[in-house]
Amino acid sequence: AQSVTQLGSHVSVSEGALVLLRCNYSSSVPPYLFWYVQYPNQGLQLLLKYTTGATLVKGINGFEAEFKKSETSFHLTKPSAHMSDAAEYFCAVSDPGAGSYQLTFGKGTKLSVIP
Amino acid sequence: DSGVTQTPKHLITATGQRVTLRCSPRSGDLSVYWYQQSLDQGLQFLIQYYNGEERAKGNILERFSAQQFPDLHSELNLSSLELGDSALYFCASSLRPVSGTGTDTQYFGPGTRLTVL
Repeated sequence: AQSVTQLGSHVSVSEGALVLLRCNYSSSVPPYLFWYVQYPNQGLQLLLKYTTGATLVKGINGFEAEFKKSETSFHLTKPSAHMSDAAEYFCAVSDPGAGSYQLTFGKGTKLSVIP
Repeated sequence: DSGVTQTPKHLITATGQRVTLRCSPRSGDLSVYWYQQSLDQGLQFLIQYYNGEERAKGNILERFSAQQFPDLHSELNLSSLELGDSALYFCASSLRPVSGTGTDTQYFGPGTRLTVL
């Protein structure tokens, strides 16, 4: 069974500072990895995804994530936080061989940006 | 706007009742997924349909059922409701049913917030 651990349910950064949201996964096979963002009272929006190939993945709104197989990690970063980045972020995995694209999500990390 | 629509946006009902949540996928998408988001359980996969047929089942209670109709919209039926069923229910849609042929992005609707009193 797959699982996702997001370290830190709440992260606060100053505007302009580096954003680092941590995600570690447990999977018996190399999974597909995703980061979604959820703004208040809205659905989830895909930020970026990793399947195969280049381990550094760039997404929307200046976010990127790096797949590190040896560390079973897929941390999300952004060089400079903006007020509009305040939201909840979810890391998710799916099993490429499972026959379904169902996602297993982490508990989420709420990002606050301090002006 | 993801192109996935869900109705109603909010639903307030009493314990023991039955409700139906509706989802219309993006145009052209054949797969529909249902997820439940609650404070204690987080985001959990419930069930997936592809082109009218059940494809995968997750942590879905026996009191819950779903179906996908010929026009590809889907309904999630929740019966004998309990206080613990209060949650945000998301529908997501994607084009393909299975992995292995490349990834398939899931597009999420805005959700239906269910409150059971």
